Amino acid sequence: QSVLTQPPSASGTPGQRVTISCSGSSSNIGRNTVNWYQQFPGTAPKLLIYSSNQRPSGVPDRFSGSKSGTSASLAISGLQSADEADYYCAAWDDSLIGYVFGPGTRVTVL
Amino acid sequence: QVHLQESGPGLVRPSETLSLTCSVSGGSISPYYWSWIRQPPGKGVEWIAYISDTGSTNYNPSLKSRVTISVNTSSNYFSLKLNSLTAADTAVYYCARDPGASYFDLWGRGTLVTVSS
Repeated sequence: QSVLTQPPSASGTPGQRVTISCSGSSSNIGRNTVNWYQQFPGTAPKLLIYSSNQRPSGVPDRFSGSKSGTSASLAISGLQSADEADYYCAAWDDSLIGYVFGPGTRVTVL
Repeated sequence: QVHLQESGPGLVRPSETLSLTCSVSGGSISPYYWSWIRQPPGKGVEWIAYISDTGSTNYNPSLKSRVTISVNTSSNYFSLKLNSLTAADTAVYYCARDPGASYFDLWGRGTLVTVSS
């Protein structure tokens, strides 16, 4: 049972905008920034968004993050077939004193 | 360019202890935090433990009683020991770097560890 909650799946057609939600609590998202990771099958997760809304160098601006209260979201605009992957939200949890991850959301391009 | 490489046995017997090492090349252990993270086949990601370059540690409460993390700054590697293994510990184990801002900006490729007799 993950501390953070995400929908198991999301989908869209090429060019559409897809949004993935991540719900937490006051001990994690409510007090700390949220990070998002993208994972393709057989590979390690890759940092996609950090500090809730910052993109590492090389990440397209089609990917954006936001946070409000104890929830966060990742938006993918101009969806492409290359975006088919699993997406994980994560944050530091002050109560557990450790990192917590969401269960992941699989994005499918129809 | 900094590169992380996990190494360890691919197969471990139940009740035994798993030992993994993460070698850091192309950069220094300092001044970062270093973590072990695992992912059971077909499942999500779970953080295991972190250690700083100065040796400060923190463990996932669910694994704390079975885990030890250590660092060797002179040889640029850090290690994980997980004891009393069961089949539930079968997973891909990743090492990762936290620049001190509670996110992982660099990951190793991962190593699959299977617990089976």
